[in-house]
Amino acid sequence: KAGVTQTPRYLIKTRGQQVTLSCSPISGHRSVSWYQQTPGQGLQFLFEYFSETQRNKGNFPGRFSGRQFSNSRSEMNVSTLELGDSALYLCASSLAGAGGRSGTEAFFGQGTRLTVV
Amino acid sequence: DAKTTQPPSMDCAEGRAANLPCNHSTISGNEYVYWYRQIHSQGPQYIIHGLKNNETNEMASLIITEDRKSSTLILPHATLRDTAVYYCIARSLGSGSARQLTFGSGTQLTVLP
Repeated sequence: KAGVTQTPRYLIKTRGQQVTLSCSPISGHRSVSWYQQTPGQGLQFLFEYFSETQRNKGNFPGRFSGRQFSNSRSEMNVSTLELGDSALYLCASSLAGAGGRSGTEAFFGQGTRLTVV
Repeated sequence: DAKTTQPPSMDCAEGRAANLPCNHSTISGNEYVYWYRQIHSQGPQYIIHGLKNNETNEMASLIITEDRKSSTLILPHATLRDTAVYYCIARSLGSGSARQLTFGSGTQLTVLP
């Protein structure tokens, strides 16, 4: 079955602009998480959505937001872009509902490489 | 989630077993050990996870010590395509637990021809 799809793969934006990234999870997966990866900070958790509700949020400013649609597809938005927002943004999907061991593996997309100039 | 400690880098000869250690001395009883790897410029890939019993799948084996303070990921016959950063993550799966994966710095495994 198809994996996690992120679009676009590459993006160049100017400081002050906003950007929207899209993630289509694996069919049947209801949990979608977003991560930011930079050389200096590594992989950091942004937020997680499950059944259209934000279930968990990392330590990022309010300029970073997201949402999930009824078909589990998710978008994340970054407003007022800063140079430091240049990063690889990764989306991961999993089956996981509340607790339990099965279906907890997260499957990542290829990421969107955002460059802010 | 418990902190994990991994060596920053390791080399392995192609065709030999790669043994990647991870220390998680403060792991609690309900925390699982997960392993992911990230090949350059790609998204992380799930490898395996376990609680206290050894686990094996088509990719790797996971050996967890009896006291659960450390574990080893074993790639039985490493190939050049196994060159990647390997992340060991301790994670609770309880219903009230955080859902995110907390990635450390990982181990850069280089498989040498």
